[in-house]
Amino acid sequence: SQQGEEDPQALSIQEGENATMNCSYKTSINNLQWYRQNSGRGLVHLILIRSNEREKHSGRLRVTLDTSKKSSSLLITASRAADTASYFCTGGQTTGKLIFGQGTTLQVKP
Amino acid sequence: EPEVTQTPSHQVTQMGQEVILRCVPISNHLYFYWYRQILGQKVEFLVSFYNNEISEKSEIFDDQFSVERPDGSNFTLKIRSTKLEDSAMYFCASTTGMVSPLHFGNGTRLTVT
Repeated sequence: SQQGEEDPQALSIQEGENATMNCSYKTSINNLQWYRQNSGRGLVHLILIRSNEREKHSGRLRVTLDTSKKSSSLLITASRAADTASYFCTGGQTTGKLIFGQGTTLQVKP
Repeated sequence: EPEVTQTPSHQVTQMGQEVILRCVPISNHLYFYWYRQILGQKVEFLVSFYNNEISEKSEIFDDQFSVERPDGSNFTLKIRSTKLEDSAMYFCASTTGMVSPLHFGNGTRLTVT
């Protein structure tokens, strides 16, 4: 597994707006995952996208993957205050040993 | 929905003491992990465990650390002689396979004084 570099480091938006976070990685991957961490809590898996997929949806989440650019994006539509959390991407050949970066800290203001 | 449970939620210990952090992974999961997060820092991988043995460990996981699955349900992390720098949140995780997402517990906050 390898660490993803999330960008931006911090994002502050109003409730109802969309939030977009980006992730870049260095070497080829078989899959890429996005996790969320609420303050002081464990990580929650959001979505896994495989290298042969370009886009995946889950509820208000949309993830894209561009293997040629070694990048991914996470879009949260119609954000809510409860979406306030840190978001991490991590990729690799398997999903076991995960390496996390600093993440994107999202604040959604009511 | 099944979840990974960790106990205790907060443990305070004195430097040099042994601590055991406990985890109950999801019942049909086969791969188990410990991660830690020092306050304000990244979540770091410690160790992975499969088929009753360690499959991979990080540099952090030195001789002071050990893991065990003493029965069919618990997965423990032992720190033999705690140091101040062991103060952190410790997260247990489990999964069904090597290409499946990890399920994390809510962590044990270890404070070493």
